[in-house]
Amino acid sequence: AQSVTQLDSHVSVSEGTPVLLRCNYSSSYSPSLFWYVQHPNKGLQLLLKYTSAATLVKGINGFEAEFKKSETSFHLTKPSAHMSDAAEYFCVVSGLGNTGNQFYFGTGTSLTVIP
Amino acid sequence: GAGVSQSPRYKVAKRGQDVALRCDPISGHVSLFWYQQALGQGPEFLTYFQNEAQLDKSGLPSDRFFAERPEGSVSTLKIQRTQQEDSAVYLCASSFSQREVNEQFFGPGTRLTVL
Repeated sequence: AQSVTQLDSHVSVSEGTPVLLRCNYSSSYSPSLFWYVQHPNKGLQLLLKYTSAATLVKGINGFEAEFKKSETSFHLTKPSAHMSDAAEYFCVVSGLGNTGNQFYFGTGTSLTVIP
Repeated sequence: GAGVSQSPRYKVAKRGQDVALRCDPISGHVSLFWYQQALGQGPEFLTYFQNEAQLDKSGLPSDRFFAERPEGSVSTLKIQRTQQEDSAVYLCASSFSQREVNEQFFGPGTRLTVL
């Protein structure tokens, strides 16, 4: 079975400081992992994905994440937060199995950026 | 070049009414998914289609929920005899192929409120 745990429901950072959003996963298969962002009243947008290639994945808007199998983690980072980064972030695990390409979402982390 | 679209964007129903939610996936996308997102939660899987075949409906919460994709393109999620606990945002997503784990492209969602 696959699942993800997002360790923080809310994160608050000052503009220009680093962002760290934590995610741990559980998967019976070699996982594919994603981070999506959801701005208010907008659809989910893919930030980045890991599909067993390089363990350090770079995404859009300066975000990146590192897949660490030994720690079963896939934390999302950004060196310098921008006001426009304020949103809800979801860590997602998927993997081919009987249920196909189903996504399992974490409960989300709400990021606040303080000016 | 349009993305996934959903209609209506907002739906208010009286308890006991039937509702139908529509999803237009990206042209050519084989896979189509429905998710339910309760307030403050991550999306949860409802059902999955590969072309017109509904391959997984394990996430549908009750037999009041029914989904179809008769021509392998547009999909409709129908909820019969709506209950207050059905209030949520219903998200549709599509992806290109089932042969490997692919990014899912999400629509803006339909916010259903049952009074």
